[in-house]
Amino acid sequence: DSGVTQTPKHLITATGQRVTLRCSPRSGDLSVYWYQQSLDQGLQFLIQYYNGEERAKGNILERFSAQQFPDLHSELNLSSLELGDSALYFCASSASGLSSYEQYFGPGTRLTVT
Amino acid sequence: AQSVAQPEDQVNVAEGNPLTVKCTYSVSGNPYLFWYVQYPNRGLQFLLKYITGDNLVKGSYGFEAEFNKSQTSFHLKKPSALVSDSALYFCAVREMGGATNKLIFGTGTLLAVQP
Repeated sequence: DSGVTQTPKHLITATGQRVTLRCSPRSGDLSVYWYQQSLDQGLQFLIQYYNGEERAKGNILERFSAQQFPDLHSELNLSSLELGDSALYFCASSASGLSSYEQYFGPGTRLTVT
Repeated sequence: AQSVAQPEDQVNVAEGNPLTVKCTYSVSGNPYLFWYVQYPNRGLQFLLKYITGDNLVKGSYGFEAEFNKSQTSFHLKKPSALVSDSALYFCAVREMGGATNKLIFGTGTLLAVQP
């Protein structure tokens, strides 16, 4: 168990809908990362937050947004969903120290868009 | 741009034999390299990292990796494979520059250990 929690585990929704994925980082970790894993794209970095502020953006669609709250949990919002958004969405966290480069991943949320 | 390549989609090995999962990298400057393992329907688990220092890095579950700067490689190894090692293995590199620790992953290698 990495200490990173994600809810829900599974999500099935229809095209055009909006969903929110939730992540709680390991205790004390200030950085939260979101990744998307799909068969055709592999593991892709979406976005990073550090202590409530956006730190880096990757291949994140404009229909997707995220935020990190004062209690450090994060939410990833996906809107106007398309079939191609079906994927595993992972959240990861890391500590803020200079030697803490590794990230610890949650179990993921499997999103199925029908 | 930084990248990692995993040239083998699948590696098959018999239980008890040594295993190697290959990874090569392309970065400017000194790389920060990682190995993760993903079991079915699970998240990624951190195995080991190379930041600096000894080229042979030891990690979890008896795995180790050898950093080779001249060959730009970071191969994952284990002296004696177990059936329970069967999983998807990812090599990753930290993007250099800026204040982010974001990871760039390879395409993954499926390790199948036969009893």
